Amino acid sequence: SQQGEEDPQALSIQEGENATMNCSYKTSINNLQWYRQNSGRGLVHLILIRSNEREKHSGRLRVTLDTSKKSSSLLITASRAADTASYFCATGFGGSNYKLTFGKGTLLTVNP
Amino acid sequence: KAGVTQTPRYLIKTRGQQVTLSCSPISGHRSVSWYQQTPGQGLQFLFEYFSETQRNKGNFPGRFSGRQFSNSRSEMNVSTLELGDSALYLCASSLGTGATNEKLFFGSGTQLSVL
Repeated sequence: SQQGEEDPQALSIQEGENATMNCSYKTSINNLQWYRQNSGRGLVHLILIRSNEREKHSGRLRVTLDTSKKSSSLLITASRAADTASYFCATGFGGSNYKLTFGKGTLLTVNP
Repeated sequence: KAGVTQTPRYLIKTRGQQVTLSCSPISGHRSVSWYQQTPGQGLQFLFEYFSETQRNKGNFPGRFSGRQFSNSRSEMNVSTLELGDSALYLCASSLGTGATNEKLFFGSGTQLSVL
């Protein structure tokens, strides 16, 4: 079963607006990662936040993590048409059997 | 540095056939993971190989198998194809140090259609 669940499933905004996507998960994690996928292509890593971190920034991206609520959010500021893609959260857990489990993603459409 | 390379990009097969997909990881990466992506189930973990050994496995039937060669290149095989096997198969590589904060580098995938 999927570990992470993104919300909303789809989001449509205008260029220049901010986009916020949320991710909830069920069990303990070592880290939570966000990936982007353009239609029919491979995923590209965006940002990783460790379980002992609360907030992280990378360019126009801001990720927060609340381990008590088992949730994370990805904020994209000043969105551009090129940000149109599916965004996935992935939870990393385990020691020697560490693996990443992905949610079903949020489809973001940025209209010019 | 070249990225993760998957071949072929597209594949059309009929039910009952078998198929082999190939993945070349980023140079220096020793771990290769495979994922199946479908609209209904999303991204599902198939298995991970490290140093020619399967280190982790998802919940897929035995028809799905894989292997890794000494140069870290990996192949996955699906035997007795079913219509439901139609999917985008993604390969991802990582350093494989065993650190629990590694990120994955994905290939562009192989789009498999089973008719």
